[in-house]
Amino acid sequence: AQKVTQAQTEISVVEKEDVTLDCVYETRDTTYYLFWYKQPPSGELVFLIRRNSFDEQNEISGRYSWNFQKSTSSFNFTITASQVVDSAVYFCALPAGGTSYGKLTFGQGTILTVHP
Amino acid sequence: DTGVSQDPRHKITKRGQNVTFRCDPISEHNRLYWYRQTLGQGPEFLTYFQNEAQLEKSRLLSDRFSAERPKGSFSTLEIQRTEQGDSAMYLCASSFSDRGYYEQYFGPGTRLTVT
Repeated sequence: AQKVTQAQTEISVVEKEDVTLDCVYETRDTTYYLFWYKQPPSGELVFLIRRNSFDEQNEISGRYSWNFQKSTSSFNFTITASQVVDSAVYFCALPAGGTSYGKLTFGQGTILTVHP
Repeated sequence: DTGVSQDPRHKITKRGQNVTFRCDPISEHNRLYWYRQTLGQGPEFLTYFQNEAQLEKSRLLSDRFSAERPKGSFSTLEIQRTEQGDSAMYLCASSFSDRGYYEQYFGPGTRLTVT
């Protein structure tokens, strides 16, 4: 069965600090996708990134970067120079494989608070 | 607004009552998903449709829950004889599906409170 673990329940930083959110996953699939979503106080889950297990290159998008390491089953997310607007709950997610191709398994989420 | 929409945004009901939620997906998306999220937890999968066919239901979805997607467009989730344990945020998501896998886009959710 798929499993996603986000060991950090809450992180608190001061604006402009860098912060890394950890995600460790378990899957029996040989190929798979991984996702990060952001849930701001308004409640709506916002898609951030999709990563294919074939591609282990790190990805950068503005202040966001992702470090995917298949050998350690980790897909960590770094925010550089954090801002107050980054305060949200962040979820890592993994789709089920096989016939359950659609559903996502989410981690518990990491609550990020960025103080001014 | 071309995103996923859900109605109502909030629902307060008394235990034992029936409630129905609606989800309108992004128009070109053929997959529609329902999830439930309780406080401090990640969303948990309930069921999903491809077009009008319901392809999978979670064991979380008791007999009191039913979902439909007539004509492969909007979907409804009905909970009969609500219980206090049904209090949660009900999230709808949609995605495109072809030969690959595409990200799911979520609606704002319906927050259900059962008193």
